[in-house]
Amino acid sequence: GDSVTQMEGPVTLSEEAFLTINCTYTATGYPSLFWYVQYPGEGLQLLLKATKADDKGSNKGFEATYRKETTSFHLEKGSVQVSDSAVYFCALSDISNDMRFGAGTRLTVKP
Amino acid sequence: DGGITQSPKYLFRKEGQNVTLSCEQNLNHDAMYWYRQDPGQGLRLIYYSQIVNDFQKGDIAEGYSVSREKKESFPLTVTSAQKNPTAFYLCASSITRTGGSETQYFGPGTRLLVL
Repeated sequence: GDSVTQMEGPVTLSEEAFLTINCTYTATGYPSLFWYVQYPGEGLQLLLKATKADDKGSNKGFEATYRKETTSFHLEKGSVQVSDSAVYFCALSDISNDMRFGAGTRLTVKP
Repeated sequence: DGGITQSPKYLFRKEGQNVTLSCEQNLNHDAMYWYRQDPGQGLRLIYYSQIVNDFQKGDIAEGYSVSREKKESFPLTVTSAQKNPTAFYLCASSITRTGGSETQYFGPGTRLLVL
């Protein structure tokens, strides 16, 4: 079945460092791809999404490009802040809207 | 403000007890979902509902039950048959459950602990 594999954490960076969190997927069709963020003790919030190949999702300085040839949707940010510390989930949604989540990557940004 | 509310924030269950987690949404969404989150793991789907009076089992439905009597509400009951209920439970909703590109919106979650 469809699945998502994302980079294991935890990831620790200094403020203003460059962030990449890798995400690859396996799917039989053409899924939509999502990044969600979870702050401590809270639910998930949509960060960005892309619905077809070569689409780029972006929000709050974060970006991810839907790469069909490498089945990837890596999350990037040019300069992280302490407030970006959270757990990031990559997810895919197939035609029936079944959503599959990766295991999550915990990011800690130090001042 | 539109959104999803879950209550309570923390819930304690005794052995052999059934407990019910509340989920309400005022987004006018047709589809609603329940997920379970365990430490260091992604979310796993328990049940989903595409429309009022209809619901389907997800990947880990055993030991859980749901109802969907109103569009706004999708309560989850954790029964005594669920032997390992300690987890963080998340409710979500989406406009529909077709098309494949629908964003799911999440509530703040309920943490269930066993006494």
